[in-house]
Amino acid sequence: SYELTQPPSVSVSPGQTARITCSGDALPKQYAYWYQQKPGQAPVLVIYKDSERPSGIPERFSGSSSGTTVTLTISGVQAEDEADYYCQSADSSDTYVVFGGGTKLTVL
Amino acid sequence: EVQLVESGGALVQPGRSLRLSCTTSGFTFGDYAMNWVRQAPGKGLEWVGFIRSKAYGGTTEYAASVKGRFTISRDDSKSIAYLQMNSLKTEDTAVYSCTRAYYDLGYYFDNWGQGTLVTVSS
Repeated sequence: SYELTQPPSVSVSPGQTARITCSGDALPKQYAYWYQQKPGQAPVLVIYKDSERPSGIPERFSGSSSGTTVTLTISGVQAEDEADYYCQSADSSDTYVVFGGGTKLTVL
Repeated sequence: EVQLVESGGALVQPGRSLRLSCTTSGFTFGDYAMNWVRQAPGKGLEWVGFIRSKAYGGTTEYAASVKGRFTISRDDSKSIAYLQMNSLKTEDTAVYSCTRAYYDLGYYFDNWGQGTLVTVSS
């Protein structure tokens, strides 16, 4: 079955830049999406179609794609950005949805 | 305001069945696919399946882990999506959330409910 691979954890100091990667063989052909989930809360879409930002999401959140890897970048990280982040995409047949395992972002 | 509210979660024995509901408001339900995601305690998000809108045939897709046991349906007249879960296993224990699914060269989930807890245990 198709898998998306994320690092389990990323740590960064306030004001620095956090980069969270997501790798998958179908990513050159399928868009990726990113969700932020804080404890006890429902996930929130922060990036869609690799690099588009929904309304209401701060500009410090951005996304990029290169080959089989997509990256969520948070510039000028704030304490409130501490959360779990999940990438999501589809398999090469565009039939099945898949989530990455999630990355816990810790703001030191 | 878009709202999705799940209900029906419960403690159920292995092998039994349960039906979850996702009651929605604030958008034209029939225009959207509806999707279910689950999250086991302390674990990550796992896609369960979705149902397309009637305009796209109302067809369904499921994760391999639930295919043949779970069925997603929809009642556009009531703006409700359902998840029928049969032959439940202990590994199905999770918070089940419904989401609105938006299609733009790929499905993504722009609105989520808070979820309902399903515990499968004897």
